[in-house]
Amino acid sequence: GAVVSQHPSRVICKSGTSVKIECRSLDFQATTMFWYRQFPKQSLMLMATSNEGSKATYEQGVEKDKFLINHASLTLSTLTVTSAHPEDSSFYICSARAGLVGGRGEQFFGPGTRLTVL
Amino acid sequence: QKEVEQDPGPLSVPEGAIVSLNCTYSNSAFQYFMWYRQYSRKGPELLMYTYSSGNKEDGRFTAQVDKSSKYISLFIRDSQPSDSATYLCAMSAINFNKFYFGSGTKLNVKP
Repeated sequence: GAVVSQHPSRVICKSGTSVKIECRSLDFQATTMFWYRQFPKQSLMLMATSNEGSKATYEQGVEKDKFLINHASLTLSTLTVTSAHPEDSSFYICSARAGLVGGRGEQFFGPGTRLTVL
Repeated sequence: QKEVEQDPGPLSVPEGAIVSLNCTYSNSAFQYFMWYRQYSRKGPELLMYTYSSGNKEDGRFTAQVDKSSKYISLFIRDSQPSDSATYLCAMSAINFNKFYFGSGTKLNVKP
């Protein structure tokens, strides 16, 4: 299957600082990338969908100004958590999807980034 | 009502058992159905991908979709301790704009 990487895998930061998480598709071009948040023992919560070269579409209740998403190329999307607070501590996972030619639109997930805000 | 319902478990079985994992859904527009496996503190890994109704087999894994009942299943034959993980079902409509995930079932296969 396709490989998606995330960096960093773990980050600890102080309250009020900003944190950037990178998501890369290593062996395919991702026309669409998704950012999820996962709390312990819970399922994935979609935060936003981003298409290369256009603004991200955020899910209801997700603050656009707090969670900045950039999808500047077909292989890279970044999520920046601005002015992080302890309640932002979570497991952030990205996924990437290739084009829909042929009808296969499955998402391939990165390994996740564990953010801890002190 | 949630779009996708999945029993969170945990489900504990002995090694070698046949495991049945299930999800129900309410949106008749769903056409694509997927099963992901997630180990602790890792990202989900795609296991099975099916379109519309029917069965699909891949090694020890069999995915079934019954669109008339809005019910999907994943069967694991000859379960192994390494199968211990959380299994997430996911589904989408034909446009793939959004995936809808179940809450995940935690499976523990005891040696």
